[in-house]
Amino acid sequence: QKEVEQNSGPLSVPEGAIASLNCTYSDRGSQSFFWYRQYSGKSPELIMFIYSNGDKEDGRFTAQLNKASQYVSLLIRDSQPSDSATYLCALNSGNTPLVFGKGTRLSVIA
Amino acid sequence: SAVISQKPSRDICQRGTSLTIQCQVDSQVTMMFWYRQQPGQSLTLIATANQGSEATYESGFVIDKFPISRPNLTFSTLTVSNMSPEDSSIYLCSGGVLGANEKLFFGSGTQLSVL
Repeated sequence: QKEVEQNSGPLSVPEGAIASLNCTYSDRGSQSFFWYRQYSGKSPELIMFIYSNGDKEDGRFTAQLNKASQYVSLLIRDSQPSDSATYLCALNSGNTPLVFGKGTRLSVIA
Repeated sequence: SAVISQKPSRDICQRGTSLTIQCQVDSQVTMMFWYRQQPGQSLTLIATANQGSEATYESGFVIDKFPISRPNLTFSTLTVSNMSPEDSSIYLCSGGVLGANEKLFFGSGTQLSVL
């Protein structure tokens, strides 16, 4: 059974700070890793994906993957109140459906 | 990215009735899935919608309760049958392209309330 673990939060950070969201997983065969953002009452929106060990940057977002330690993280620089949402970690192995974590609720305080 | 249209966006239904949710993708995707998200919870996969054949259901979900159709690559329906209040949830359609680097996109969801 694949498991994806996230701290449910809420994680509160002041505006302008770096928000760090973490995710661990149990299946060593996992190949693709995704971060989705979900605003309250809305559907998940894909914001980052990473397939290789190391860092991947896209604007204010950086995804970090460490397959040996089985964790993936998302850093949000210069956090804004509009970043307040639930962030879902998801992964899959080849052609299998995505497995989602329970999400971390982020609150950016102005 | 794929644009996925889902309807209805919300509905309030009586116990014992059925509701069919429709999902239309603007481009051809090889994979379509149906998820359920209960209040305050993450996404639970109901089934993989297979084109022209029976859907592949996850543990705890059965075809009699959640019949799914996918007549072509870009359209699928999920029916929630013989509803009870426990079926109140958000139902999400998703689509992606087959492969290890599959990116999954979601429809806007259907908020279902069963009285």
